[in-house]
Amino acid sequence: DQQVKQNSPSLSVQEGRISILNCDYTNSMFDYFLWYKKYPAEGPTFLISISSIKDKNEDGRFTVFLNKSAKHLSLHIVPSQPGDSAVYFCAYFGNEKLTFGTGTRLTIIP
Amino acid sequence: DAMVIQNPRYQVTQFGKPVTLSCSQTLNHNVMYWYQQKSSQAPKLLFHYYDKDFNNEADTPDNFQSRRPNTSFCFLDIRSPGLGDAAMYLCATSRDMRGSSTFGSGTRLTVV
Repeated sequence: DQQVKQNSPSLSVQEGRISILNCDYTNSMFDYFLWYKKYPAEGPTFLISISSIKDKNEDGRFTVFLNKSAKHLSLHIVPSQPGDSAVYFCAYFGNEKLTFGTGTRLTIIP
Repeated sequence: DAMVIQNPRYQVTQFGKPVTLSCSQTLNHNVMYWYQQKSSQAPKLLFHYYDKDFNNEADTPDNFQSRRPNTSFCFLDIRSPGLGDAAMYLCATSRDMRGSSTFGSGTRLTVV
């Protein structure tokens, strides 16, 4: 079974700098990965995805990088803004379902 | 705005007393999911409906059931809630099994 691991439960970054959120996975077979953002008392919101055939996907300030040899992906946010403070979940889509990591709480310091 | 709505936002139930959580959607999506999220843990898929086809995860306890009477509504029934069932329950929808999911705001269940 695929597992996704977000080893950093929290991260603090100064406003305007780059935020880098990391995710590791165990199984080389997958369809695609997604990143979700969650504010307190709200459901997760889809942010960006990357398919298994790509190594990079960009959407505005958000870029996701996929390193298949290392079984690692990362989400870069540049520049970081106060509204980016939230919990970020990495999720894998395969076997017709999403499997989530435990999340990383990102705090942007003004 | 098209959305996924969960009611209630907060639910308190007694140990062993059946409880139902509801989810509705205006997106006309084919797939509806129920996830359970405990504190500091990853959301865990309980089951999903693709149209009327029900798919239960292998490790979902029998205590959890679901109903989808029509495209717009889906219910989560917990027959005999235990203290360990206290969690945030998230409903999500997607157009098909390959799309990203749209989540509701969740129902936080407390068992007393």
